[in-house]
Amino acid sequence: DAKTTQPPSMDCAEGRAANLPCNHSTISGNEYVYWYRQIHSQGPQYIIHGLKNNETNEMASLIITEDRKSSTLILPHATLRDTAVYYCIVGYGKLTFGQGTILTVHP
Amino acid sequence: GAVVSQHPSRVICKSGTSVKIECRSLDFQATTMFWYRQFPKQSLMLMATSNEGSKATYEQGVEKDKFLINHASLTLSTLTVTSAHPEDSSFYICSAGGGGVYEQYFGPGTRLTVT
Repeated sequence: DAKTTQPPSMDCAEGRAANLPCNHSTISGNEYVYWYRQIHSQGPQYIIHGLKNNETNEMASLIITEDRKSSTLILPHATLRDTAVYYCIVGYGKLTFGQGTILTVHP
Repeated sequence: GAVVSQHPSRVICKSGTSVKIECRSLDFQATTMFWYRQFPKQSLMLMATSNEGSKATYEQGVEKDKFLINHASLTLSTLTVTSAHPEDSSFYICSAGGGGVYEQYFGPGTRLTVT
């Protein structure tokens, strides 16, 4: 599976959009981009995934660059409950978790 | 999203005993289930992948005779940690999915402490 690179931590003010970047320059043609998050001591929660087109659901939007070498997860209106570790994973079927980005939403 | 449960949520056992952890997909039929382990302040590490009715595929470095996985139905998979030792103390998490590109839905995790 392709490797991903994410910033170790980010801050965001409550009510503002949180934009979490991810680099995956070695992604191959059939690999998808998945985003999950994990709140402390809980199982990860699925957020969104995509192949090449931008995707949106009730939780977030996923923007994938045209060359597919990077993507951005957007939480449009962050709340305190969005504080978590966010994992960007590239693969097909099997998920390999990296260290993720610790997002802290502050009042 | 789909709901996955795990039981027990927390277990303490003595060294040398075996512990069974159940993972159930409550509202969909999971073709594939995965088992992960997470040590404190670390990321999740995939231990094995199991497809209903067939033997699990273990990741490199995971002892298949120590971590027994059974996936007898489309809604239930079990992980048995045999002859547990203190170094097996960890957070064990299962996930269920439809296989292939489909997203995985994770259980809440089981905290195992071996004394």
